[in-house]
Amino acid sequence: DGGITQSPKYLFRKEGQNVTLSCEQNLNHDAMYWYRQDPGQGLRLIYYSQIVNDFQKGDIAEGYSVSREKKESFPLTVTSAQKNPTAFYLCASSPGLVNTEAFFGQGTRLTVV
Amino acid sequence: EDKVVQSPLSLVVHEGDTVTLNCSYEVTNFRSLLWYKQEKKAPTFLFMLTSSGIEKKSGRLSSILDKKELFSILNITATQTGDSAVYLCASPGTYKYIFGTGTRLKVLA
Repeated sequence: DGGITQSPKYLFRKEGQNVTLSCEQNLNHDAMYWYRQDPGQGLRLIYYSQIVNDFQKGDIAEGYSVSREKKESFPLTVTSAQKNPTAFYLCASSPGLVNTEAFFGQGTRLTVV
Repeated sequence: EDKVVQSPLSLVVHEGDTVTLNCSYEVTNFRSLLWYKQEKKAPTFLFMLTSSGIEKKSGRLSSILDKKELFSILNITATQTGDSAVYLCASPGTYKYIFGTGTRLKVLA
């Protein structure tokens, strides 16, 4: 079945460590996105990529990095520079932006211990 | 700057009530307005609205867009406890989807 797979579902990180969240899609979508969601809040855009080998900072990119070496993959690294990384992270993809919705993965809940 | 604003931020109702959720937008080159329902994890897609005045309906949920006044509403009739969720609206900007902060709906038995 086509879809977006995020892994892991739960992740614990010690302070000062970098961690990488995986996002893979088999929908053949060009565009991919990473959002962060804090309790009781909406979705805030971290990074987005409209095409392979290209990506742009979103509204809250500080302390995060991404790569887009393959169309189907858009991993997110949460670096030690991110001061408050505990949150729910959602990856999404879309074929474009015209008359289409964004499709979401099941999310990764990151907790700093 | 493009933006999407939802109201109210939260809402508590009893089963059987009807609720109306609001979404206003200011988006350059507006193309569509999307509604999602988020329970525990991934948002699930409800509606996409592109034309003004045409109601989209699915069971007890319905939505309509007013492109003149730049807003959309999501109606839920005869609410059930299973409708408890965060409802998000979004609109595609030039390069990305712009989401509102969501409305948290709680339906009491």
